[in-house]
Formats: sequence, structure tokens, C-alpha cells
Amino acid sequence: DAEITQSPRHKITETGRQVTLACHQTWNHNNMFWYRQDLGHGLRLIHYSYGVQDTNKGEVSDGYSVSRSNTEDLPLTLESAASSQTSVYFCASSESMADSAPQYFGPGTRLTVT
Amino acid sequence: LAKTTQPISMDSYEGQEVNITCSHNNIATNDYITWYQQFPSQGPRFIIQGYKTKVTNEVASLFIPADRKSSTLSLPRVSLSDTAVYYCLVGAVRGNKLTFGGGTRVLVKP
Repeated sequence: DAEITQSPRHKITETGRQVTLACHQTWNHNNMFWYRQDLGHGLRLIHYSYGVQDTNKGEVSDGYSVSRSNTEDLPLTLESAASSQTSVYFCASSESMADSAPQYFGPGTRLTVT
Repeated sequence: LAKTTQPISMDSYEGQEVNITCSHNNIATNDYITWYQQFPSQGPRFIIQGYKTKVTNEVASLFIPADRKSSTLSLPRVSLSDTAVYYCLVGAVRGNKLTFGGGTRVLVKP
């Protein structure tokens, strides 16, 4: 069955280190998204991509970057981790280019920055 | 992006129907209304989507009045496993402002 996976599921890192969170989907979806979820804020969009070589900034993109070299993967990089980036990160994908297309979410990565 | 307002939490009992209303006064003509369900330690899961009137699937029903300024998610005969956070979403990623908001925490009691 097609799925979307994230790794690692849990990560502890130190302030200032570069961290990369992996997202891999086998749906063959063109659209992929990264969100962070914090208590009291719901889910907030970090970056998204409509296809290979396409990336766009979301609501809370500062301190994060993404790259899309193939359809299946959208890694999220924290260039210099900060304690404010301690959060749960979710990757998602969607099939249609239509606005509001349903998104399929991964299991999440819990990141702690000490 | 249309701002959405939902109740923070709701309690119910097994076997009852749960109705969650979401207000979205500034919904745009092209916006769809989408609901997601999220269990603890899991990613959100798509439940249902609609544009107007009523939509029903095997999980829920979505009622949208003619003015589309609100919508109601209806969960029939809930069980303990329906305890989750439910998010109402209106808008589009292309606007670069897609946000889920705080959601409604539904607790189903025995």
C-alpha cells in the first residue's frame, strides 16, 4: 500500500546544529507539505512544493529550508537549530493540483532542541 | 484566507451523535470546507470535504447552509475511538496561508 513515512520519529539535538528531517511518500503525489504543531497553535505551514525543483514558503518558514530533487522526497532542514524549533513536525502530500485538495499526513517527528 | 472559529472542546457519550459547528464568515467563493481528525501522537486524517448543501460518507456528514458562512460536522453514534481533535479548514495552499487553527477536542465517554 502507498504511504508517507517520516524519519526519525524522535530527535534530540543541540542549539546551533543543523538537522534534517526526512519525508518519503509512495503515493506519487506532486504536492508535498511540511507543518509544525505546537500546543496552542494547531498546525502551521512551514514550506510546500508542487513538484520537482519547486519550493514555496509557508507561514513560518524562517530558519527552515526544503529541497525537492524527486517526486518521493521532501527533506526539511533546520540550518541552525533553536530552542523555539522544538516541536512536532508533520509531512503531508496531496494528489490534486486543485485548491483544498485533501492531504495525507505522515506519523510525525518529535524534535527537541536543547 | 477565511478565519475559522470552532468550539475548543466537546464531551459526548458512546452512541450519541456529535455535531461540531465551524464558523467561517469570510469564506471565498472558490473555497472548499474540509475537516480533519487527529488522534494523539498521529498526523491528521482527512474526514470529509464539501462546497455546499450536504455531503455524507462512511465516517461523517457535513452540512453547509446556503450562505456558507458556517458548516457542521456530524459524527453519528460515536464510540470511544472517536475521541480526537477535529479541525475545520477553509482556504487554499496557493494563498500561502493554509492553517488548521486550534481544532475541537472531542471526548467520548463510556
